[in-house]
Amino acid sequence: GNSVTQMEGPVTLSEEAFLTINCTYTATGYPSLFWYVQYPGEGLQLLLKATKADDKGSNKGFEATYRKETTSFHLEKGSVQVSDSAVYFCALLRMDTGRRALTFGSGTRLQVQP
Amino acid sequence: DVKVTQSSRYLVKRTGEKVFLECVQDMDHENMFWYRQDPGLGLRLIYFSYDVKMKEKGDIPEGYSVSREKKERFSLILESASTNQTSMYLCASRARTGLTEYFGPGTRLTVT
Repeated sequence: GNSVTQMEGPVTLSEEAFLTINCTYTATGYPSLFWYVQYPGEGLQLLLKATKADDKGSNKGFEATYRKETTSFHLEKGSVQVSDSAVYFCALLRMDTGRRALTFGSGTRLQVQP
Repeated sequence: DVKVTQSSRYLVKRTGEKVFLECVQDMDHENMFWYRQDPGLGLRLIYFSYDVKMKEKGDIPEGYSVSREKKERFSLILESASTNQTSMYLCASRARTGLTEYFGPGTRLTVT
């Protein structure tokens, strides 16, 4: 079946540090890949997505590249801010099967200190 | 602006009670989903629905049921609440051919 593995948190960084959150997946076929973010007290919201190999998703300074050869979709940001403190979820979706629902990783909490 | 709303942000119920969690979306989406979120486990799919009166089991349907009588509303029912159902419950919706899921703010349910 499908699965997503994320690095465990929390990840604690100082403001302006470089961020990487690792994500690898297991799936047959050609899934779409996503990063969702959950700010304190809120539901999840889409941060970025990529639908095919070598696609790069980007938003708000965050980037992730769909690497089929390594089955990875690592999230990066060059300079984090305190306002980026949140929980980040990697997820995959296959639209070519009966189960057209997201499969999530366990989430990684990011804490950015001033 | 797109909107998914959930009936309660916080709910406290007793063991054995029947619990209803309501979710409404205003985007005319065909697909709706119920997840539970627990620390270290991420989000796990309980049930989803592709259309009115349609439902499919997710990964952890035991102890839950759902109802979708209208397109905009998807209800999660705990037939007899138990303490291991204490969790955060998140509802989401997505267009039939869309890729983006839109989430509600969540309901934190405590069963005592």
